[in-house]
Amino acid sequence: DTGVSQDPRHKITKRGQNVTFRCDPISEHNRLYWYRQTLGQGPEFLTYFQNEAQLEKSRLLSDRFSAERPKGSFSTLEIQRTEQGDSAMYLCASSLEVWGAGAFFGQGTRLTVV
Amino acid sequence: DQQVKQNSPSLSVQEGRISILNCDYTNSMFDYFLWYKKYPAEGPTFLISISSIKDKNEDGRFTVFLNKSAKHLSLHIVPSQPGDSAVYFCAARRAGGSEKLVFGKGTKLTVNP
Repeated sequence: DTGVSQDPRHKITKRGQNVTFRCDPISEHNRLYWYRQTLGQGPEFLTYFQNEAQLEKSRLLSDRFSAERPKGSFSTLEIQRTEQGDSAMYLCASSLEVWGAGAFFGQGTRLTVV
Repeated sequence: DQQVKQNSPSLSVQEGRISILNCDYTNSMFDYFLWYKKYPAEGPTFLISISSIKDKNEDGRFTVFLNKSAKHLSLHIVPSQPGDSAVYFCAARRAGGSEKLVFGKGTKLTVNP
């Protein structure tokens, strides 16, 4: 399978714990995006990497959120001191060029904070 | 502030008929618009897009129309098939080099056999 892979698919954590998600993009894709989707809403932009450089970051990404893409390959999204409001689907997407037919989303990581 | 609005949470049509999904936007700086389809437990998949320099783009059964003066776009699916049943998201990108897509809340389409 050469699609965008996200791990884990589901995560349940207690409030206050730290969690880390991983995204493996399609191998030749240099652009990687993180989005968050809550119930009844569309995906909301979190951050964007081109290769290893984090070029855009949403105000939604508070100090408790950090994302990395070492060596321009896989990416991790860490949430520290989780809150119930962090419960959402976290989506990763990758592309070789700009948005369009060549950009693909992964299946997402469903986070539940209890 | 919802810059991309999909005012119909759901739409139900009969198989073989036309499905029309609507989207309105408020930011005149948007220059590229996309439609995504999402099945449960899957990520969104790209459907069709349109640049602001065009008013229509067609791909098989799917056609997107853009009315810039009204800040309105629509997705037409003809003929509709039961496999088209999914949530459809409208998204927009702002001119000026930003890679951020702004999504609407989605419209759940149900195509009845």
